[in-house]
Amino acid sequence: GAGVSQTPSNKVTEKGKYVELRCDPISGHTALYWYRQSLGQGPEFLIYFQGTGAADDSGLPNDRFFAVRPEGSVSTLKIQRTERGDSAVYLCASSSQAGVSYNEQFFGPGTRLTVL
Amino acid sequence: AQKITQTQPGMFVQEKEAVTLDCTYDTSDQSYGLFWYKQPSSGEMIFLIYQGSYDEQNATEGRYSLNFQKARKSANLVISASQLGDSAMYFCAMREEGYNNAGNMLTFGGGTRLMVKP
Repeated sequence: GAGVSQTPSNKVTEKGKYVELRCDPISGHTALYWYRQSLGQGPEFLIYFQGTGAADDSGLPNDRFFAVRPEGSVSTLKIQRTERGDSAVYLCASSSQAGVSYNEQFFGPGTRLTVL
Repeated sequence: AQKITQTQPGMFVQEKEAVTLDCTYDTSDQSYGLFWYKQPSSGEMIFLIYQGSYDEQNATEGRYSLNFQKARKSANLVISASQLGDSAMYFCAMREEGYNNAGNMLTFGGGTRLMVKP
């Protein structure tokens, strides 16, 4: 079946602009995660959704970052007033159920965001 | 303190030989899971292998095995019979399963770049 998809694959924007990054998880997966991967580093957790609600947003760096998942499927990560330091690859992952001892997260290909 | 430490930024291995990628972790949870992911230059994260903290046997998946030493808090990945296609970044990750991580998000190390020489 189809994996996790993310659009756009690349996004170039100017400092101060607003951007939206979309994630389409594997059908039926209730848990959805956003991670950010800066150049040369491992992914860092941003936010986790269980269904429609953000169950853990402790990784969001500041209030310029916001994410929604209104119908419990597709999620959008929104970044306001972008800064050059926001440049990174934004990865989305989904899993069939959180809170299970073994629960693989399936990752999408990521969106490479470049803020000029 | 870093929760996941990968001390080898880069590793070379000759094709067909085995290689060990190091990973140490830090947690006070009794229940946790350890994962290894491969990230080729194309960018996707590919799941390789999983080890649960209560698993007594080391995990194996084809050419991948995980050398789990709980007392030392290490979870090294062993790749046998390296292939050119194994050249990629490799990330060790941990999922703590205690109360404070109900969502089970992953914490990643900084990665190791593996280069397989023909």
